[in-house]
Amino acid sequence: KQEVTQIPAALSVPEGENLVLNCSFTDSAIYNLQWFRQDPGKGLTSLLLIQSSQREQTSGRLNASLDKSSGRSTLYIAASQPGDSATYLCAVPNSGYSTLTFGKGTMLLVSP
Amino acid sequence: SAVISQKPSRDICQRGTSLTIQCQVDSQVTMMFWYRQQPGQSLTLIATANQGSEATYESGFVIDKFPISRPNLTFSTLTVSNMSPEDSSIYLCSVLGDREQFFGPGTRLTVL
Repeated sequence: KQEVTQIPAALSVPEGENLVLNCSFTDSAIYNLQWFRQDPGKGLTSLLLIQSSQREQTSGRLNASLDKSSGRSTLYIAASQPGDSATYLCAVPNSGYSTLTFGKGTMLLVSP
Repeated sequence: SAVISQKPSRDICQRGTSLTIQCQVDSQVTMMFWYRQQPGQSLTLIATANQGSEATYESGFVIDKFPISRPNLTFSTLTVSNMSPEDSSIYLCSVLGDREQFFGPGTRLTVL
């Protein structure tokens, strides 16, 4: 059974810092990995999707990397802003490819 | 991408009652899912809503407690029956797009 772990569970940084969120998964036979953002009490917003054939995917100040062989992904946020404060979740498809297993998330607080 | 709406956005209910949550998608999709997020936890899949047939439930979730309807390719409902305080959660509808999953804004349920 796939297990997804995210480290750290919480992170507090001053505005302007670059930061890295980590995600690891136990079954490396995945065909993609998604990073989501969740604001308190709200739904999920898809940030980045990395296919298994890709090593990196970028969107604005966000860069996600994927190393299937080691079962790891990182989300890099450049020049963090208070508006980046949210919980960041990574998720991988289960066998059958339609449903997702989620990590518990990293709660990020960026202070002005 | 798919645009997903949910109704209600939030509700406060009494123990023993039932609540039906609606999910509407702006395009026809084959795969629709219902997830639950208990306070402080990550997302857990409740079931896959199948069009024209009974939903497929994950271990720990049963049809009597969480009946699901999927009358067409753009709409689904999830009912939380005979509610108890342990059912207090965010309930999220999601759909599988071409390669990634999209989520609705969630329904925040509090059971007193």
